[in-house]
Amino acid sequence: AQSVTQLGSHVSVSEGALVLLRCNYSSSVPPYLFWYVQYPNQGLQLLLKYTSAATLVKGINGFEAEFKKSETSFHLTKPSAHMSDAAEYFCAVSEDREYGNKLVFGAGTILRVKS
Amino acid sequence: DSGVTQTPKHLITATGQRVTLRCSPRSGDLSVYWYQQSLDQGLQFLIQYYNGEERAKGNILERFSAQQFPDLHSELNLSSLELGDSALYFCASSNLAGGPSDTQYFGPGTRLTVL
Repeated sequence: AQSVTQLGSHVSVSEGALVLLRCNYSSSVPPYLFWYVQYPNQGLQLLLKYTSAATLVKGINGFEAEFKKSETSFHLTKPSAHMSDAAEYFCAVSEDREYGNKLVFGAGTILRVKS
Repeated sequence: DSGVTQTPKHLITATGQRVTLRCSPRSGDLSVYWYQQSLDQGLQFLIQYYNGEERAKGNILERFSAQQFPDLHSELNLSSLELGDSALYFCASSNLAGGPSDTQYFGPGTRLTVL
């Protein structure tokens, strides 16, 4: 079964600093990987996804992630943090089932942005 | 706004009761997914429907059941409720064949509190 590990349940950065949220996956087949963001009292919003077209994936709000097969990683970065980036971020891998699929989520990382 | 709607937004009920959560997918989406988010279990996949048929099953309890109707809306039925069923229940939908590279669009969730 596929799995996702997010290193660091809480990350704190200063406004304007680099954001780096770590995600490692376990998969026996080429994975499809996703990053979602959840703002307080809201649903999950897709930031970006990797579907093997390109290893560097650009998403919304200035976020990007790089797929590294050798490291089984898909870390999320943003060059300059903004106060509005404070939220919880989830990395997920898509597990293909016969005739269906599901997302397997990591435990999430809460990002705090200090002014 | 993802286009996925869920009702009710909040639900408070007692142990042993039965509730129904409703989800309307984005226009044109044939796949509906249900997820449970709790503090101790994180985000867990429950079940997927595609065009009215069950496609994939996750960690869904026998006390829980779901269905997708001809108009593509879906309902999640939770019965014999226990305190541990208190959680945020998300519905998501996707517009392709329900495969692993599909983007799943999440609704705002229904917060269930069992007293």
